[in-house]
Amino acid sequence: GAGVSQSPSNKVTEKGKDVELRCDPISGHTALYWYRQSLGQGLEFLIYFQGNSAPDKSGLPSDRFSAERTGGSVSTLTIQRTQQEDSAVYLCASSLAGTGGKTQYFGPGTRLLVL
Amino acid sequence: RKEVEQDPGPFNVPEGATVAFNCTYSNSASQSFFWYRQDCRKEPKLLMSVYSSGNEDGRFTAQLNRASQYISLLIRDSKLSDSATYLCVVKRSQGNLIFGKGTKLSVKP
Repeated sequence: GAGVSQSPSNKVTEKGKDVELRCDPISGHTALYWYRQSLGQGLEFLIYFQGNSAPDKSGLPSDRFSAERTGGSVSTLTIQRTQQEDSAVYLCASSLAGTGGKTQYFGPGTRLLVL
Repeated sequence: RKEVEQDPGPFNVPEGATVAFNCTYSNSASQSFFWYRQDCRKEPKLLMSVYSSGNEDGRFTAQLNRASQYISLLIRDSKLSDSATYLCVVKRSQGNLIFGKGTKLSVKP
């Protein structure tokens, strides 16, 4: 079946511009996660949505970062006033539920380059 | 101290070799444990879950020692296709995953 999809696959932007990254989770998955992976670094947790609960935003690095999940499905990660250090691969994952060890399935990521 | 620590490698081994990766985690409240595999410029994919009783999947064996907060992965009879970065992953009670930086494995002919 269809996996997690993300768009765009690549994004080049200028410093100071806003960007929106999109994630379509696997159908029926109630939990959705955003991570980012900078060059040579491990994956860093950003934000987590579980059903209709308030999202866990504890991983967002600054108030320039925000995310929404509409209708319990598609999610958008927005980065305002992008900085060069925001350049990274942004990965979305989904799972059947947030707890209980359910497997998280990752999308292919969006490679963001801020010039 | 990082919440999940791994030896970054690289581990360069010949085909057929047995190789072991280790990982330590600092949060004793961590709930679940996994090994993910990440190929170059690809997304991470679940390799296997890790249990205290130990679990095996073909040539791969994973082990968890909760008392020592230590996780291991053993790969027997290495194949060229095993070349990748292996990520030690710990799941927090809140649900999000904490990743180690990964151990790079290169299997040579």
